[in-house]
Amino acid sequence: AQKITQTQPGMFVQEKEAVTLDCTYDTSDPSYGLFWYKQPSSGEMIFLIYQGSYDQQNATEGRYSLNFQKARKSANLVISASQLGDSAMYFCAMRESLSGAGSYQLTFGKGTKLSVIP
Amino acid sequence: GAVVSQHPSWVICKSGTSVKIECRSLDFQATTMFWYRQFPKQSLMLMATSNEGSKATYEQGVEKDKFLINHASLTLSTLTVTSAHPEDSSFYICSARNTAGRMYNEQFFGPGTRLTVL
Repeated sequence: AQKITQTQPGMFVQEKEAVTLDCTYDTSDPSYGLFWYKQPSSGEMIFLIYQGSYDQQNATEGRYSLNFQKARKSANLVISASQLGDSAMYFCAMRESLSGAGSYQLTFGKGTKLSVIP
Repeated sequence: GAVVSQHPSWVICKSGTSVKIECRSLDFQATTMFWYRQFPKQSLMLMATSNEGSKATYEQGVEKDKFLINHASLTLSTLTVTSAHPEDSSFYICSARNTAGRMYNEQFFGPGTRLTVL
């Protein structure tokens, strides 16, 4: 089974509107971290936001917020007030075994291509 | 924030030649670096975990004799694609783990290297 599932290959959003990118995950580890990265056409991976499994509140970073529903194992990214520069690939990723001597590896989903329409 | 560089940013080579890609952490020490490969319109796939002063750990299906990894110092890891063939053409991205960082910002990505094998 896939550890990270992003079911939306592509999404369109009107400029200045909000958009939600879906991410579900699968782990039996009680301690894990969830990440969202943005990858523009230039290729670099830009860290957006992080949510720890024990965090009580949903993470927020500027226009980015993470809708963390632990029981449903979902960690959706919400981008508010979309801008043309938000057009890019977005990847959800997970790191397991935070508390142990884990490998610190990140497992990525397949990504969602977001296109912002003027 | 921590900066990771990769060199070269792109390379074109003939089939059968070897190509070396460098990954450097510029302002922090990284005992662990990761090498990913990304084919067009696909996700990042972890190839190997590089640990300073020891042998790299390769993911299943990745040929260790073809993708040579050396992590000789705390700021430099190299990936050498030996006897490259057209099917090795891909985008190679490294990341470095900053042990002094907190969980949410401990792994930093390089800008990637685009390899084209003719």
